Amino acid sequence: DAGVTQSPTHLIKTRGQQVTLRCSPKSGHDTVSWYQQALGQGPQFIFQYYEEEERQRGNFPDRFSGHQYPNYSSELNVNALLLGDSALYLCASSFDSLTEAFFGQGTRLTVV
Amino acid sequence: SQQGEEDPQALSIQEGENATMNCSYKTSINNLQWYRQNSGRGLVHLILIRSNEREKHSGRLRVTLDTSKKSSSLLITASRAADTASYFCAPLGETSGSRLTFGEGTQLTVNP
Repeated sequence: DAGVTQSPTHLIKTRGQQVTLRCSPKSGHDTVSWYQQALGQGPQFIFQYYEEEERQRGNFPDRFSGHQYPNYSSELNVNALLLGDSALYLCASSFDSLTEAFFGQGTRLTVV
Repeated sequence: SQQGEEDPQALSIQEGENATMNCSYKTSINNLQWYRQNSGRGLVHLILIRSNEREKHSGRLRVTLDTSKKSSSLLITASRAADTASYFCAPLGETSGSRLTFGEGTQLTVNP
């Protein structure tokens, strides 16, 4: 079992560009959540997908959008990148809404 | 939203000593989870304790939960240098779905 995999591991983008991050959940998991973690801070919840629908959303602007595919894999898209979007983006998958989450190793996004 | 607040922010001990971290939260929960994060990497689930449990063990980890005080503690016994990491608690309430909300964590440093 490969666990949760994220790609790419590192990414450098220019302010104003758009970026897509990808996540494959752990086998058997149907729920995918995305988190943003700034340096020295705890992860902040962006949104969660279940059955291809956005089920919950955190306090992030509409520039952050996502998608979940029938195979449960997911994408996080960020438009009009700002310098402040530089962070570690974490994907987590789970099977049930009240069980433990499994995290990927994250994508380090740097906006210059 | 249901957020855990970890205390202390930082903890430095010698190898072989015990480390205790605390977590406080504000509303009723279904369960509370503890995670570890090594620098710049994904979070690793450590232990989940349900609201009807008072204590749980996993190897060198011991977690307690006091729902009347809305607090939890994580004890790591006989610490090792490899335990150096940030530790986060995530209370999961009836209204939070499976959305994990993290505080800033406790940065544990175990000195050889």
